[in-house]
Amino acid sequence: AQTVTQSQPEMSVQEAETVTLSCTYDTSENNYYLFWYKQPPSRQMILVIRQEAYKQQNATENRFSVNFQKAAKSFSLKISDSQLGDTAMYFCAFMKPPGGGNKLTFGTGTQLKVEL
Amino acid sequence: DTGVSQNPRHKITKRGQNVTFRCDPISEHNRLYWYRQTLGQGPEFLTYFQNEAQLEKSRLLSDRFSAERPKGSFSTLEIQRTEQGDSAMYLCASSKDRGDQPQHFGDGTRLSIL
Repeated sequence: AQTVTQSQPEMSVQEAETVTLSCTYDTSENNYYLFWYKQPPSRQMILVIRQEAYKQQNATENRFSVNFQKAAKSFSLKISDSQLGDTAMYFCAFMKPPGGGNKLTFGTGTQLKVEL
Repeated sequence: DTGVSQNPRHKITKRGQNVTFRCDPISEHNRLYWYRQTLGQGPEFLTYFQNEAQLEKSRLLSDRFSAERPKGSFSTLEIQRTEQGDSAMYLCASSKDRGDQPQHFGDGTRLSIL
């Protein structure tokens, strides 16, 4: 079974600064997908960025980028130019390739607070 | 794209009562998922449907839980004889049926057992 670990329960960053959230995972699969989801307070979970394991190039989505280290099974999220609206719980998630039901396995989350 | 809709947003009930939640997925999405999220934890997978077929159920889904997706459209999740431990946020998500498609989540139904 896959496991996802987020070792930082809480983090804070000053507005306009850069912050990196950590995620490690454990799997015996070679092909899979990784995601970062954002869950603002009392609001729905929103996809931030995704990475296919077979791609070496790190995914980038505007101010959000990942550092995917397949051998180390590490998948960190970097948020540049942090904004107050980035305050949320961030979840790292793993998805097996097709045939695995496409269910997501989530970490326990990192609560990010962006401060003035 | 109106998003995934879940009703009700909140449900408070007494222990031992039955409850039912509804999820309306994004219209062109064939896959529908149910997750449970307890305080301070990430969502945990409960079950998923491909159209009207329920293809996988987690061991978390005891025999008091039943999910349906008649006609492959909306889905319901019923919990019978609710227990204190059932208190959680129940999240629904949907996706297209191509394997790598991301899941889109609803706002969730928060269940509180008195």
